[in-house]
Amino acid sequence: QKEVEQDPGPLSVPEGAIVSLNCTYSNSAFQYFMWYRQYSRKGPELLMYTYSSGNKEDGRFTAQVDKSSKYISLFIRDSQPSDSATYLCAMSAWGSGGYQKVTFGTGTKLQVIP
Amino acid sequence: NAGVTQTPKFQVLKTGQSMTLQCAQDMNHEYMSWYRQDPGMGLRLIHYSVGAGITDQGEVPNGYNVSRSTTEDFPLRLLSAAPSQTSVYFCASRNGQSYEQYFGPGTRLTVT
Repeated sequence: QKEVEQDPGPLSVPEGAIVSLNCTYSNSAFQYFMWYRQYSRKGPELLMYTYSSGNKEDGRFTAQVDKSSKYISLFIRDSQPSDSATYLCAMSAWGSGGYQKVTFGTGTKLQVIP
Repeated sequence: NAGVTQTPKFQVLKTGQSMTLQCAQDMNHEYMSWYRQDPGMGLRLIHYSVGAGITDQGEVPNGYNVSRSTTEDFPLRLLSAAPSQTSVYFCASRNGQSYEQYFGPGTRLTVT
């Protein structure tokens, strides 16, 4: 079993829809939870991060973490064609040597149809 | 501030050839990593370095070598290319105590 599971999609939604992207994980040691956005033929870029359970909002994006269920979500409100990308969840925990060890999900490909 | 740069952007190799993928960062980050990204597999860690002169293996290190002689540069060497190494390779850097990674634009490698 992978430490981080993510549905690969693809997910296709009409413009203006609310999008929900999810990941589950098995490692209780994960402390930081991140969402990266990757446009086609580009490197991933950090979109949002959270440290604790609960919600964090940034404009049209909301990141949600439920540590008791080992489940994280990213919600996109009023989705736009420019949101079309692959979204990767990532989680980190302290590894040996005092460094953060980051584990990525496989990514969900999102397409927003105008 | 260029961030993380990678060269080349594209490369085609024949089986058995060797090559070096270059990666450089100008943010004085101590931690640098190499990932490969394949469809359905996500980002898989090949090798990483926590500072000049210190490297370690990641999840899929076989067939690759790394060295880190300076803080800025972290080249990845393919010793004898195989078709299974056809992939997109990303270099990333961050502060060791941080979770936030900065990725380069990637190198698309095809091995025939």
